[in-house]
Formats: sequence, C-alpha cells, structure tokens
Amino acid sequence: DSGVTQTPKHLITATGQRVTLRCSPRSGDLSVYWYQQSLDQGLQFLIQYYNGEERAKGNILERFSAQQFPDLHSELNLSSLELGDSALYFCASSASFGTGELFFGEGSRLTVL
Amino acid sequence: AQSVTQLGSHVSVSEGALVLLRCNYSSSVPPYLFWYVQYPNQGLQLLLKYTSAATLVKGINGFEAEFKKSETSFHLTKPSAHMSDAAEYFCAVTQNTGGFKTIFGAGTRLFVKA
Repeated sequence: DSGVTQTPKHLITATGQRVTLRCSPRSGDLSVYWYQQSLDQGLQFLIQYYNGEERAKGNILERFSAQQFPDLHSELNLSSLELGDSALYFCASSASFGTGELFFGEGSRLTVL
Repeated sequence: AQSVTQLGSHVSVSEGALVLLRCNYSSSVPPYLFWYVQYPNQGLQLLLKYTSAATLVKGINGFEAEFKKSETSFHLTKPSAHMSDAAEYFCAVTQNTGGFKTIFGAGTRLFVKA
C-alpha cells in the first residue's frame, strides 16, 4: 500500500461527457502528480502541483484541468471526452525533500464509449 | 534537458535465466535514478533508486542496478528470473532544480517463460 488513494477505480462514460478523478496523497506529501497511461502513448506526465500551486505542466490537453485543494487532495477534470481519452490515470505524490521518489496510487481506469 | 531511453520494449527470458533491462539517461545535473515496476492492473512501485551513494544499488526481489556515469547507464539486472517477475519496468530520472522533475522511459515489458 503506497498510501496514495485514487477514486474511482473504474469509470465508464460516453463521448462528450465530463468526469472528475480524485487523488489523496500520502500523509505529509505536498507534491501531487498526474500521469496518463495508454497502450499507444505509454506513461505520459500531465501536471504537477505543489502545496496548491501548479508546478509543472506536461502533455496535458486543454480539455483537461486539475487543481490541488488546501487539504492537499487533488482532482483531475476531463471534459468533452473523446474515445482516445480512454486510459489509466495515475496520481503520485512525493515528499518535499529527499530524492523525489514517487508513490503511485492504483489508478483510475477510464473507458469512453 | 533530461531524457531516458530504455532499449527494448519487450524482453523475454526463461525462468532461472539472467534478466538484463537496459536504461540510458541524459541529465544536465547529477540525477537521481530509479527503477519502478508495474504488475498487471496495479500502479507503479519503486524497485530501487540511485542517489549518489554506492554505484551498485540493490532493490527488492533480488534486483540490482549499477550506475555508470561514463556510459550514462543504469541497467537493471537479476541473476535468476522467476515467473513472478513478469511485469513492466520503467526507468526514471529525477532532477531537483527548485523542485523535483521526473522523466520516465517508455517501459520494458518482461516476459518469463517456464
């Protein structure tokens, strides 16, 4: 158990819809990262937050947005969903100091029909 | 800019054989290097990490990796493969440049034949 909790584990929705994925980081971790994993794209970094502020942006589409709340949990919002958005979405957290080791949640599997 | 290259998207070995998964990196500053493993239907978990102490790093489940600065490599090895080692393995490089930034390789799927 990594200590990172993601909900929901599975989600099936239709094209054009909007979903929200939730992540609770390990206790004490201020950094939260979101990754997308699909068969054709591999593991893609989407976005990072540190203590409520956006720290780094990767290959995140404009239809996607995220935020980190004062209690440090984070949400990834995916809108105007397309078939190609079907993927595993992982959240990870890391400590502020040390080596940057990432602790991953079990992921949210999104299927867009 | 940092980058990670994993040679071979798929590696197949027989049970009991040596496992060698290759990783080369580029980094403008001394990096932290990691191997993560992903078992089916699970998230990634840390296998081992290099943090500039010993160049030979031992991890969980009998895996180890050697940091070779001259070759910019961090290959993962295990002397004897088990069926339970079948998984996807990711090499990653992290830099601390006012905040941690991690780049992952494309991953190598390890198959273990009985």
